[in-house]
Amino acid sequence: AQTVTQSQPEMSVQEAETVTLSCTYDTSESDYYLFWYKQPPSRQMILVIRQEAYKQQNATENRFSVNFQKAAKSFSLKISDSQLGDAAMYFCAYRSTNFGNEKLTFGTGTRLTIIP
Amino acid sequence: NAGVTQTPKFQVLKTGQSMTLQCAQDMNHEYMSWYRQDPGMGLRLIHYSVGAGITDQGEVPNGYNVSRSTTEDFPLRLLSAAPSQTSVYFCASRRTGYKEKLFFGSGTQLSVL
Repeated sequence: AQTVTQSQPEMSVQEAETVTLSCTYDTSESDYYLFWYKQPPSRQMILVIRQEAYKQQNATENRFSVNFQKAAKSFSLKISDSQLGDAAMYFCAYRSTNFGNEKLTFGTGTRLTIIP
Repeated sequence: NAGVTQTPKFQVLKTGQSMTLQCAQDMNHEYMSWYRQDPGMGLRLIHYSVGAGITDQGEVPNGYNVSRSTTEDFPLRLLSAAPSQTSVYFCASRRTGYKEKLFFGSGTQLSVL
C-alpha cells in the first residue's frame, strides 16, 4: 500500500517571501499522480497543482511550483511571493494509475501561517 | 453548475442514533467517494463507487454503509453512531480515469455525543 508523509505539521512565512512544504511517499509503482490540495478555513478542498510521475518536468501554476524527485520519492511544494490568502492547511496526495486502485491517499497535512 | 452538494453542513447525534449524509453531484461523474478528516490524520477513504450499482470499501469502512442507485447520488449511512465517528466528512466525485480532477463537496461536521 502507498503511504504519504508530511513531516512538517506547521510552517510559517513572512508575506511576500518563499516557503517550501515537504512531502515524501512510498510506492512500488512506476506510474502515478501526485497532488497538492489547499484547505482554507472555509474547509473547501482546492486542487493547487498536480504532477504526473512519468513527466520529468516539474509542474508550475502561477506562484506555485513543485520539486519532484522521483528516485528520492519526494514531492515538495514551493509557494513564491506568499500572500495572506495562502494561509491554509496543505495536503499532499498520491493516486495510482492502476485500474481499480485509483483512490487518493493523503498525507497528514501542513498548516501554513502567513505573517504580515 | 452546483458541483458536489453535501447536506447537512453540521449535525449533532447521540450515541446509537442513525443518520444519512447526503451527497449529490450534477456533473455526470461516474466515480464518487466518501472521506473522513480527523485532526492529525489527513483524509481517509471510507467507501467509493465507480458507477450506479457498484460500491466498494475504502480504508476505514467499519460503521458506514453506502449505496449508489443513481449516478447523481451517493449517500453515506451511519446505522448506530459512535463517538469515534465524530469527524468532518467529505464527498468527492470525478470522471473515470486516474488523470481526472477530483471535485470535493464543502464537508459535513458531525459530532457524536
